[in-house]
Amino acid sequence: SQTIHQWPATLVQPVGSPLSLECTVEGTSNPNLYWYRQAAGRGLQLLFYSVGIGQISSEVPQNLSASRPQDRQFILSSKKLLLSDSGFYLCAWNGGETQYFGPGTRLLVL
Amino acid sequence: EDQVTQSPEALRLQEGESSSLNCSYTVSGLRGLFWYRQDPGKGPEFLFTLYSAGEEKEKERLKATLTKKESFLHITAPKPEDSATYLCAVQAGSSGSARQLTFGSGTQLTVLP
Repeated sequence: SQTIHQWPATLVQPVGSPLSLECTVEGTSNPNLYWYRQAAGRGLQLLFYSVGIGQISSEVPQNLSASRPQDRQFILSSKKLLLSDSGFYLCAWNGGETQYFGPGTRLLVL
Repeated sequence: EDQVTQSPEALRLQEGESSSLNCSYTVSGLRGLFWYRQDPGKGPEFLFTLYSAGEEKEKERLKATLTKKESFLHITAPKPEDSATYLCAVQAGSSGSARQLTFGSGTQLTVLP
């Protein structure tokens, strides 16, 4: 069966520091991968998606970037975090028509 | 631009008190409408996919229905463990192989014992 992992689970970072969040999927090949951000009490905002290795599409302009160095690995990065980057970051993969989500990373920027 | 609006934002029910959550949408060619359940601090859990008007799907105390403009999630005789945020999302036909979803802001359901 397929499994999706995200780490770290929780992260507290100072403003201006770099960021690297990792997502890996097991049990499938060539999945579509997605990064979402969820602000408190809000819906999910799609940040990036990837249909293959090295292929990244950005939905929202910001100081974040994404990379897909391997088929089942998706990384979310920033060179300098802003206070507004705080939130709950979710990775998802596509199984047929349905997206399945990972456990999420809670990021607090102070 | 695809849009999804969920109502109410929050709903408090007594155990056993049935109700419905609403998801109104505008999309250029609906490919699918999705319902998820999200518990605090966790990722959304997939519940249902609906593809065409008139379609219905059931799972335990939950029943999802779809019209050309909206979807309802009916909760029959809810229990406290049904307390969660319920998210609705649409996938447009124009999304192609990328299959992006547009989410609503969710309905936070609390079922009191």
